[in-house]
Amino acid sequence: EPEVTQTPSHQVTQMGQEVILRCVPISNHLYFYWYRQILGQKVEFLVSFYNNEISEKSEIFDDQFSVERPDGSNFTLKIRSTKLEDSAMYFCASSGGPPGGGLHEQFFGPGTRLTVL
Amino acid sequence: AQTVTQSQPEMSVQEAETVTLSCTYDTSESDYYLFWYKQPPSRQMILVIRQEAYKQQNATENRFSVNFQKAAKSFSLKISDSQLGDAAMYFCAYRSAGGGNKLTFGTGTQLKVEL
Repeated sequence: EPEVTQTPSHQVTQMGQEVILRCVPISNHLYFYWYRQILGQKVEFLVSFYNNEISEKSEIFDDQFSVERPDGSNFTLKIRSTKLEDSAMYFCASSGGPPGGGLHEQFFGPGTRLTVL
Repeated sequence: AQTVTQSQPEMSVQEAETVTLSCTYDTSESDYYLFWYKQPPSRQMILVIRQEAYKQQNATENRFSVNFQKAAKSFSLKISDSQLGDAAMYFCAYRSAGGGNKLTFGTGTQLKVEL
């Protein structure tokens, strides 16, 4: 069964450093998402991406964040200058269908735990 | 903006018994989708069940069923014949039917299954 994969599973970084979290969505999916979950809290939407551009983003997704689909398979989330409060689990998800186009399940990856020291 | 509320931080159920997890939501939209996701200790989010708001019939997936009350904006999950593998965090989520695809999650209910 196809699945979303994420690397690394755990990333430790120093405050102020740049990190890139990588995701490989399901191959025939067209819509990609990043969510984050601070420990003990709810899952929060960060950004959605379609046709090589951001289709929606939350207020969390400020100028420190960026997303990219550098090739036909990877989808990345970059945090330019990490802060302590960026420590969280980051989940990538993908879906096959368009916004407003019906019920299209989002498939989640296993997550990357980011620890900022 | 839509909000999703799960008022039960923790629930316990005996193996083979039935448990109901509560979820309420607030929206001004008439067309939307609702979901229950399971997050086991491995932390990967798994879709359990989904409901389209325009459908009056409650969704069912094997031992999982929902009680969808649109007027009350309530969407509870019933797990029948609970199994040890059902122990997990359960998140209720909302998605608008138009516009963006983002999921809005509740705070989750930790379900413990006891022998």
